[in-house]
Amino acid sequence: NAGVTQTPKFQVLKTGQSMTLQCAQDMNHNSMYWYRQDPGMGLRLIYYSASEGTTDKGEVPNGYNVSRLNKREFSLRLESAAPSQTSVYFCASSVTSGSINEQFFGPGTRLTVL
Amino acid sequence: ELKVEQNPLFLSMQEGKNYTIYCNYSTTSDRLYWYRQDPGKSLESLFVLLSNGAVKQEGRLMASLDTKARLSTLHITAAVHDLSATYFCADMDSNYQLIWGAGTKLIIKP
Repeated sequence: NAGVTQTPKFQVLKTGQSMTLQCAQDMNHNSMYWYRQDPGMGLRLIYYSASEGTTDKGEVPNGYNVSRLNKREFSLRLESAAPSQTSVYFCASSVTSGSINEQFFGPGTRLTVL
Repeated sequence: ELKVEQNPLFLSMQEGKNYTIYCNYSTTSDRLYWYRQDPGKSLESLFVLLSNGAVKQEGRLMASLDTKARLSTLHITAAVHDLSATYFCADMDSNYQLIWGAGTKLIIKP
């Protein structure tokens, strides 16, 4: 099993460009998440999807859109990239079983917006 | 506002010493998660603590949970260089979403 995979691993954009970050999981998890990680700030939730067909905003959704394409795939789109979106982006998935939400993370995408 | 506070945020220690990382949280949750992140890498789940008084151990790491004090601790025994990493704790809110601490960067010197 590959677990959670993300593409690309690295990306450099110019201000105003758009791009989509891809995420897929093969663990049959219901829930998927997109986080950004900035130095000294831990993880901040951008969007999440509790199940196929549903998406919800997290703490920092502005400037992003998401699509839960099917149970396996959850993509994050930046429509018009800004330097403030320079960050490391992690996708995660979990099977929320009872009241346990242990999340499993992908390798991350390092995004630089110039 | 729901918060998770870790301290210290940075810790440099010698091999062979013991130390504790503290995680204070603000919800009434009885679920607490610990993750490890190596430099430039992803996050790896270490422990899931499920109830008051829960204690879990793996190797030189031991995590515990006191829900009355809203405190979890990660204790490192006889530290070795391989334990150098950033350690995150996370609480769970009423929507089952994780609320993350800022992380404790641990450097263990030979």
